[in-house]
Amino acid sequence: DTGVSQNPRHKITKRGQNVTFRCDPISEHNRLYWYRQTLGQGPEFLTYFQNEAQLEKSRLLSDRFSAERPKGSFSTLEIQRTEQGDSAMYLCASSLARTRDRDTQYFGPGTRLTVL
Amino acid sequence: AQKVTQAQTEISVVEKEDVTLDCVYETRDTTYYLFWYKQPPSGELVFLIRRNSFDEQNEISGRYSWNFQKSTSSFNFTITASQVVDSAVYFCANRPTQGGSEKLVFGKGTKLTVNP
Repeated sequence: DTGVSQNPRHKITKRGQNVTFRCDPISEHNRLYWYRQTLGQGPEFLTYFQNEAQLEKSRLLSDRFSAERPKGSFSTLEIQRTEQGDSAMYLCASSLARTRDRDTQYFGPGTRLTVL
Repeated sequence: AQKVTQAQTEISVVEKEDVTLDCVYETRDTTYYLFWYKQPPSGELVFLIRRNSFDEQNEISGRYSWNFQKSTSSFNFTITASQVVDSAVYFCANRPTQGGSEKLVFGKGTKLTVNP
């Protein structure tokens, strides 16, 4: 049984650099979500995909952020020109729509980003 | 707009004590889901329970129990006979069942420390 996996688990970068994170959802899950969590706060929604389609984006997702899910399987989240305020844990979750359990999102271990 | 309040920032108990984590939510949706997740020090959010707003029956799962009171907009979580392994941050979350938004809205979490 494989859960949601995320890579890398930790990323340290310098301000102004671009970073990319990957998320592999639970097999056969058609929905994939990205959240951001800062210290002492709950996760905040960024965006979600159903299959390849990006259906919802938060206002938190500035122009420097882009997410893709090209084949409806794994997803990438890219942050361009990173800022110190981007330092956070980036969480990915997946769920399976159109089943009795469709609304439960299962989370991965997260990628912790530190921008120096 | 949805809002979830977890007024208890930190709780510390001694092993075998019972502990209740409070969650109060605000929503304009007539139907909605409520969730509890556990985040141990490793960082991964672990799903504990989902409750539909039309089902006010309380639920017990082993040492865990949940008290849903629609009249007071509360969804409290009790751990009976706490154990050191219960030490974690616990998050309450809410999302509508209608309206198309799939995002979970989280509270800020309650950090539970169970001392031996």
